[in-house]
Amino acid sequence: QVQLQESGPGLVKPSQTLSLTCTVSGGSISSGGYYWSWIRQHPGKGLEWIGYIYYNGGTHYNPSLKSRVTMSVDRSKNQLSLKLGSVTAADTAVYYCARDPAGRVAFDIWGQGTMVTVSS
Amino acid sequence: QSVLTQPPSASGTPGQGVTISCSGSSSNIGSDHVYWYQQLPGTAPKLLIYRNNQRPSGVPDRFSGSKSGTSASLAISGLRSEDEADYYCAAWDDSLSGPVFGGGTKLTVL
Repeated sequence: QVQLQESGPGLVKPSQTLSLTCTVSGGSISSGGYYWSWIRQHPGKGLEWIGYIYYNGGTHYNPSLKSRVTMSVDRSKNQLSLKLGSVTAADTAVYYCARDPAGRVAFDIWGQGTMVTVSS
Repeated sequence: QSVLTQPPSASGTPGQGVTISCSGSSSNIGSDHVYWYQQLPGTAPKLLIYRNNQRPSGVPDRFSGSKSGTSASLAISGLRSEDEADYYCAAWDDSLSGPVFGGGTKLTVL
């Protein structure tokens, strides 16, 4: 079955760019019909949707993060990418990638998450 | 401050039932479906209920969801120790044009 795995640096300095990758296994991103979201969870807090990228490359970001977020797809590697610029301590969180069959809120498959700390 | 409002905690004893509420507005719950997620300690969230009251394959029928107006509820019957987790409601928000989540409810099985 489809599995997701996030990876990237666990520590990022303030003002730098956070870069994460989500590797999709057991299925192809290009098979179509799915929205791929990034969601984060601040320590001890709730969930925050960052944005999604459709299988054809179309994107939609949370307005509160839109100016700093870029998502992309590498079909050759079957990977998703998240870049969040100008990070501050407030961006410290566990970052998840998740699949949504409908482009709404039905995140049916999640990665295990990766903790990113923003600190000098 | 989360867009959807949930009680921060709930509790029950094994075998009992418990209900978790989720309150929103006309731009989210009032105009679209509600989804519920279960997050066991140290793990990623898991889809528990979709489209208000539908259970994905593998989710026990002890879990049920309902929606009325701008509010929704998750009911868990026959509580088990393994149900101890954080539960989040979620819905599409027309103002945000994206998903919004509740702040989560920590369920303790006493």
